[in-house]
Amino acid sequence: DVVMTQSPLSLPVTLGQPASISCRSSQSLVNGDGNTYLSWFRQRPGQSPRRLIYNVSNRDSGVPDRFSGSGSGTDFTLKISRVEAEDVGVYYCMQRSHWPHTFGGGTKVEIK
Amino acid sequence: EVQLVESGGGLVQPGGSLRLSCSASGFTFSIYWMSWVRQAPGKGLECVAHIQQPGSEKYYLDSVKGRFTISRDNAKNSVYLQMNSLRAEDTAVYYCAREGGGYDFWGQGTLVTVSS
Repeated sequence: DVVMTQSPLSLPVTLGQPASISCRSSQSLVNGDGNTYLSWFRQRPGQSPRRLIYNVSNRDSGVPDRFSGSGSGTDFTLKISRVEAEDVGVYYCMQRSHWPHTFGGGTKVEIK
Repeated sequence: EVQLVESGGGLVQPGGSLRLSCSASGFTFSIYWMSWVRQAPGKGLECVAHIQQPGSEKYYLDSVKGRFTISRDNAKNSVYLQMNSLRAEDTAVYYCAREGGGYDFWGQGTLVTVSS
């Protein structure tokens, strides 16, 4: 199985400051069709996960442009340019290039 | 508006069975792969099973193979998860997700508790 490793585990951030989450996969996420199926999700307490970014760098509809995704192969990053109070939650990276589809362990973003 | 609504969760004894249902609306259900994803209390997310749009191809997490069965009824816009021989470690919130769209839509989840 592809192991997804996120860091840090916890990320206290000052409002208005940037934040960055790293995600590494144990093998390349380039699919046989040439696409890289790496997504980012945020889960708020008591809620279902919500997808923010798909295929490494594409923002979902309604996701603010302060969120950006980048990376290739096995190394990926989610960046928040200026953290706002509504950004708190647990962030997960996820790959669906290989079955079983697997998630990272999560990064809890909180306000300092 | 895309909606996924799970049902069927509850308390079951070890070794027991449950059948989860997910009713979909707001999109052409028959053309999408669908998945079940679970989250144990206080833990991360785990893909349990997914099913192709005609229903002919199915994939399972190793730990549930032989115990869980995913199926779908395109006429009823529904996907199911039959769970047999349940274990304490299967305790989790089970989410239905539209995998064909890249897990772009999720249900609210249904809680399965396996305990004596």
